[in-house]
Amino acid sequence: DTAVSQTPKYLVTQMGNDKSIKCEQNLGHDTMYWYKQDSKKFLKIMFSYNNKELIINETVPNRFSPKSPDKAHLNLHINSLELGDSAVYFCASSQALRGNIDTQYFGPGTRLTVL
Amino acid sequence: AQSVTQPDIHITVSEGASLELRCNYSYGATPYLFWYVQSPGQGLQLLLKYFSGDTLVQGIKGFEAEFKRSQSSFNLRKPSVHWSDAAEYFCAVGPPTGFQKLVFGTGTRLLVSP
Repeated sequence: DTAVSQTPKYLVTQMGNDKSIKCEQNLGHDTMYWYKQDSKKFLKIMFSYNNKELIINETVPNRFSPKSPDKAHLNLHINSLELGDSAVYFCASSQALRGNIDTQYFGPGTRLTVL
Repeated sequence: AQSVTQPDIHITVSEGASLELRCNYSYGATPYLFWYVQSPGQGLQLLLKYFSGDTLVQGIKGFEAEFKRSQSSFNLRKPSVHWSDAAEYFCAVGPPTGFQKLVFGTGTRLLVSP
């Protein structure tokens, strides 16, 4: 049973296109995250949602729009894709939002390649 | 600013030899500390974490890490490396209070030679 799943696993697209990545967790967690891992393996948080509410929004272009239809899903929509958006995007989830920090469980990642 | 430094980009260890991966952090207060492992093409898996208490933390797969406040370090160790340990290892810090925003190091790639 996959705890945190992402689709698709690979995504190849042209510059200027709009694409979405989906994430689902079956752990019953309240908080979900999106991270971006660049070509040098540097991993940086982009967004965090708690119970469908945006909590953390790092300095991310507004072409990136997360959407949380319910607390088990957090999708990432990217408009007008650019070459620099090529990266691996990881979804993660955790139980606690603040205070007692909890383990974040990561999905397998989505490798996005923009041509 | 919060930061995590993993000074070794690559490390090669012979199978059966011991391993130590270094992690230093810069943080306003004592953060929560984590080590994650990423196998090729996989997501990140938590190896161990430190919140408080005993500064020597045991994790999965035979890994341990020691928190040294005076050195702002949280080095990962394993007494005997197996070929299956070859992966990318990430150290991360998180705030003791407030929103859970992990800051990751740049990772250390572990290669295991026969």
